[in-house]
Amino acid sequence: ETGVTQSPTHLIKTRGQQVTLRCSSQSGHNTVSWYQQALGQGPQFIFQYYREEENGRGNFPPRFSGLQFPNYSSELNVNALELDDSALYLCASSRGRGGDGNTIYFGEGSWLTVV
Amino acid sequence: SQQGEEDPQALSIQEGENATMNCSYKTSINNLQWYRQNSGRGLVHLILIRSNEREKHSGRLRVTLDTSKKSSSLLITASRAADTASYFCATALLGGSTLGRLYFGRGTQLTVWP
Repeated sequence: ETGVTQSPTHLIKTRGQQVTLRCSSQSGHNTVSWYQQALGQGPQFIFQYYREEENGRGNFPPRFSGLQFPNYSSELNVNALELDDSALYLCASSRGRGGDGNTIYFGEGSWLTVV
Repeated sequence: SQQGEEDPQALSIQEGENATMNCSYKTSINNLQWYRQNSGRGLVHLILIRSNEREKHSGRLRVTLDTSKKSSSLLITASRAADTASYFCATALLGGSTLGRLYFGRGTQLTVWP
């Protein structure tokens, strides 16, 4: 158990729709990152939130957006879904921004299928 | 292009044997973390090794880091069928705009046969 929980675990959406994925970070962690993992690939960084502010973004279009709440939980929103958005979406939390040597813990992920 | 790449892509061994997976990366790092992923599940953190460390142990796991060669290895000793999973190395760069971001390779798929 990593203490990072994600919901929903699986969902199916139609192309063009919008989706919201949710993440509760481990207790005491103020940083949440989101990753996309396509089948057979390694996770790719989407963005990170640190103390409710976006703190870095990967190579993803603006239709991928997020929020972090005062309790450090987070949401990932994807608008205008495309077939290529089908993937496992992973949430990760850490104390601090992670690159400074703090362990980064991942949740079980949300499987999104776009049809 | 990938910052980190694992080698081999796939490894198949018998229970009791040792498994060695390698990771190479391109730019200077702050730390390197190894993760395990069972099929379709989340990532489980195994070990973090900092750039000023050369070797770390955790149970049956041994990780080495050679910053001059920009490479790391993960050794699993006395493997078990339950070790069957994908293994990823993830690098955290030195800072700036990339602080807090992990770069993953495509992973090594390890299969341990009973």
